[in-house]
Amino acid sequence: GQNIDQPTEMTATEGAIVQINCTYQTSGFNGLFWYQQHAGEAPTFLSYNVLDGLEEKGRFSSFLSRSKGYSYLLLKELQMKDSASYLCAVRDSNYQLIWGAGTKLIIKP
Amino acid sequence: GAVVSQHPSWVICKSGTSVKIECRSLDFQATTMFWYRQFPKQSLMLMATSNEGSKATYEQGVEKDKFLINHASLTLSTLTVTSAHPEDSSFYICSARDLRDGENSPLHFGNGTRLTVT
Repeated sequence: GQNIDQPTEMTATEGAIVQINCTYQTSGFNGLFWYQQHAGEAPTFLSYNVLDGLEEKGRFSSFLSRSKGYSYLLLKELQMKDSASYLCAVRDSNYQLIWGAGTKLIIKP
Repeated sequence: GAVVSQHPSWVICKSGTSVKIECRSLDFQATTMFWYRQFPKQSLMLMATSNEGSKATYEQGVEKDKFLINHASLTLSTLTVTSAHPEDSSFYICSARDLRDGENSPLHFGNGTRLTVT
């Protein structure tokens, strides 16, 4: 079967750095997405990786290793507004999106 | 950027009634839109893929006669929850991809509709 694993919840301190991991087992791979979702709101797109390596976009970076079926989202200089759920999603060989359950990130002052 | 408008944001209805949710791509055309359902503290669950001008493709376990999808134009898809029951209470989210951005472009989501069936 297809599976996406993320930690359920993480806690970090304002101003610090946090890394949210995502491992996947899917039938084929056509890209990995990270989305941010605040409570009660729809997800918003953060990043997309299809090749191995690091993609940096401001305070957020996303890394992919296809051979390991592994990605992480790195958030720097954490702000209170970064408190949200972070969803990892993989597009499989049929171009279907397989969603992880999300990681709830709690930022403390 | 691409904007997807979803309406209503929230709705409360009585058991047995039907509710229609609209999803519009405001500044782009979307031949395909996706409808998701999300229960509290759970991930997005794809319900169906809505294709303009043709029948929607439903995921396994989703009743097509209960969740009616119409995609009459390149900018509008509707989801009608028929004969709603309390267990249908959930957060419904639509999404679309801007074809101009290519096959690997991310999904753009509507703001979601919180449905409560009493």
